[in-house]
Amino acid sequence: AQKITQTQPGMFVQEKEAVTLDCTYDTSDPSYGLFWYKQPSSGEMIFLIYQGSYDQQNATEGRYSLNFQKARKSANLVISASQLGDSAMYFCAMDSNYQLIWGAGTKLIIKP
Amino acid sequence: NAGVTQTPKFQVLKTGQSMTLQCAQDMNHNSMYWYRQDPGMGLRLIYYSASEGTTDKGEVPNGYNVSRLNKREFSLRLESAAPSQTSVYFCASKQIVAGVGEQFFGPGTRLTVL
Repeated sequence: AQKITQTQPGMFVQEKEAVTLDCTYDTSDPSYGLFWYKQPSSGEMIFLIYQGSYDQQNATEGRYSLNFQKARKSANLVISASQLGDSAMYFCAMDSNYQLIWGAGTKLIIKP
Repeated sequence: NAGVTQTPKFQVLKTGQSMTLQCAQDMNHNSMYWYRQDPGMGLRLIYYSASEGTTDKGEVPNGYNVSRLNKREFSLRLESAAPSQTSVYFCASKQIVAGVGEQFFGPGTRLTVL
């Protein structure tokens, strides 16, 4: 069965430090996509970054990068130089056919 | 472009009442989705519509029905609301660009069933 696992329910990080949010996945499909979304306290879902299973390079979008290790089935989100505005819930998701399979999320709090 | 819009933003129902949550997108996307998000949890798929004229069950369809009215609109109906359906409901639509299936989300509807 397809599954996304986020093992960190919550994290505290000092402002300006880098942070890694863990995500592991399980699928038997050879073709899939992995997403990270941010959900601030206001509730909206904000798309951050995408990695395709056949992509040769790790995805990057500004301060966000995805550490994709296919053999280990992990797709960790790295946020460089964290900011107070990065405090939010972060969800990892996997694209399976027409559906997105979601992890339980990690609550990230950035300390000043 | 408004993106994905949902109405209402907030709703309080009594057990047994019915209501319809409305969702519309103006991005010409083929696929649309309804999720629920319970406190402290991720999203769970209720129903989805891969294209106009089709609907399919997701992970938690019981107690809900959907209608894909046209390409723009996808509604979710609770026929007889139960307290277990208290949740935040998100509608989303999907665009595929260069193989990427990014989903765009509406602002959510916060539903309380007493």
